[in-house]
Amino acid sequence: GNSVTQMEGPVTLSEEAFLTINCTYTATGYPSLFWYVQYPGEGLQLLLKATKADDKGSNKGFEATYRKETTSFHLEKGSVQVSDSAVYFCALSDPLSSNDYKLSFGAGTTVTVRA
Amino acid sequence: DAGITQSPRHKVTETGTPVTLRCHQTENHRYMYWYRQDPGHGLRLIHYSYGVKDTDKGEVSDGYSVSRSKTEDFLLTLESATSSQTSVYFCAISAPPKQGAYEQFFGPGTRLTVL
Repeated sequence: GNSVTQMEGPVTLSEEAFLTINCTYTATGYPSLFWYVQYPGEGLQLLLKATKADDKGSNKGFEATYRKETTSFHLEKGSVQVSDSAVYFCALSDPLSSNDYKLSFGAGTTVTVRA
Repeated sequence: DAGITQSPRHKVTETGTPVTLRCHQTENHRYMYWYRQDPGHGLRLIHYSYGVKDTDKGEVSDGYSVSRSKTEDFLLTLESATSSQTSVYFCAISAPPKQGAYEQFFGPGTRLTVL
């Protein structure tokens, strides 16, 4: 099956710092790639996605580009805020059959932003 | 937000007791999933359903069973809970993937503690 390797945390930053979380994947076929965010005490929310090579997903100041040549989907934000403190998960669509998919997740990266 | 609720939100139980978790959706989506979240593992698929009465196993299905008698409800049962099943359980739904436009939406989670 497909798999995701994600940068281990925890990551602690000061407000307005630049954030990068590395994500690489192994896949057969052509998966879609996702970043999900989990705020404390909440479920997962889709942050951004990309469905083909060179696509750039973006949302809330976060960006990630689908790089097929390096099998990567690194998450970046230029200036983080305290409210960005959360756990971030990289994921890819992993076929269960010709019509069914599951999400294969990385282990998650805990990000803490200090004021 | 996708209309997904989970009940109960928190549960403490003892080893050997049966436990049933409920996922309810108001989106009329065909596909539903149960994941468990554990530190260092991200989320892992337990079981999934691709229609009423149609279910299949995920990667960590041992000790769990599921049922789906209505489109809107997907039940996860631990027949005899063990301490290794202490975890946070998330339900997810998705529409069938079309042209790469594939996403899953998650419920708020159930925190289960088995003593």
